[in-house]
Amino acid sequence: DQQVKQNSPSLSVQEGRISILNCDYTNSMFDYFLWYKKYPAEGPTFLISISSIKDKNEDGRFTVFLNKSAKHLSLHIVPSQPGDSAVYFCAARELGAGSYQLTFGKGTKLSVIP
Amino acid sequence: KAGVTQTPRYLIKTRGQQVTLSCSPISGHRSVSWYQQTPGQGLQFLFEYFSETQRNKGNFPGRFSGRQFSNSRSEMNVSTLELGDSALYLCASSLDGRNEQFFGPGTRLTVL
Repeated sequence: DQQVKQNSPSLSVQEGRISILNCDYTNSMFDYFLWYKKYPAEGPTFLISISSIKDKNEDGRFTVFLNKSAKHLSLHIVPSQPGDSAVYFCAARELGAGSYQLTFGKGTKLSVIP
Repeated sequence: KAGVTQTPRYLIKTRGQQVTLSCSPISGHRSVSWYQQTPGQGLQFLFEYFSETQRNKGNFPGRFSGRQFSNSRSEMNVSTLELGDSALYLCASSLDGRNEQFFGPGTRLTVL
């Protein structure tokens, strides 16, 4: 039972264009969402997060949008750069005392073509 | 500020053996979580420790165990290794486990 789903295993985008990575979740108890970027042979690097009380959060070229009614979030990267090529993981945290685990999607491999 | 460190980075074991992996969190961070990453399953949560206590546990067999020391350093142990335990084991630390977790580079375990 996959509670966080990234339905696109891979995505190719031209340099300078927008990259949109999508993530769907099923658990309505999730209250905090995060995006991580991972290069081969390295651990995931935190990118950006959003609380369930917001619908948008921006940090430089990265913007995360949250649609609670649709249980959907997306990461927009504008403009995309070759260095953004990596695997992107969506993660969610469940509300509740003592419950601090993150549930991850299986990742989307982004390739930015120069 | 130094990041999360994990040792060893690579490990090769045979079936039936046991293994211990180590994780040193970012200074001041008291929460340490462990994840297993495999190509088919993505990152799966193993357990989380805070102030030397296991606070949360994922859906893994009892062969997987861990502990945390008073300096917040953590170890995880896998006993009676199986071929399917071959994976990248990632450790993540955070101040109190509530928000952003910062990952180490991982330990690549290969079971032959």
